[in-house]
Amino acid sequence: NAGVTQTPKFQVLKTGQSMTLQCAQDMNHEYMSWYRQDPGMGLRLIHYSVGAGITDQGEVPNGYNVSRSTTEDFPLRLLSAAPSQTSVYFCASSSGTAYNSPLHFGNGTRLTVT
Amino acid sequence: GENVEQHPSTLSVQEGDSAVIKCTYSDSASNYFPWYKQELGKGPQLIIDIRSNVGEKKDQRIAVTLNKTAKHFSLHITETQPEDSAVYFCARGNKLVFGAGTILRVKS
Repeated sequence: NAGVTQTPKFQVLKTGQSMTLQCAQDMNHEYMSWYRQDPGMGLRLIHYSVGAGITDQGEVPNGYNVSRSTTEDFPLRLLSAAPSQTSVYFCASSSGTAYNSPLHFGNGTRLTVT
Repeated sequence: GENVEQHPSTLSVQEGDSAVIKCTYSDSASNYFPWYKQELGKGPQLIIDIRSNVGEKKDQRIAVTLNKTAKHFSLHITETQPEDSAVYFCARGNKLVFGAGTILRVKS
């Protein structure tokens, strides 16, 4: 059982480039989300989805786009990378409402923007 | 607002001692309080959670206490072992806001 799978594990981008971080889960969870983790700031919610075709903004959505065409996949797009987006990105999924159910995290993507 | 304050930011204990991490929040509507453990190079993993209809929950060496009146909840680890060394995050519903994390080091 793979759980939540994120690719790639590491990525280096130049300022202005775009890319997509992939996230897939095989637990049939309706809820999926993206967090970024920065030193001393915990995990901050970027975007989330409560089911296929439904997405919403979290705490720090600017500069990121998401879509949810299937239950399994929830890609995160960086439209024009900036150094401020250097971070570790985590995808997470949950059954139920997610606000009262455990999150299952992937192992993260470490992104550096130069 | 919505922030969760977590203390301390780092904690060093001797193997076998207890460790306590405390979080405070301000949103009265919160009713779900999970704790996550993150090991190096991995994603956070749930270790215990508590809902607002109970005051304490235990799972072997780990316990969580909740004081809704004072709006704080704490993680207690007893008989610490080197493998408990990690970063611990508290969080609170509704939109699952996380604390900044506590680096726990257990010295053997």
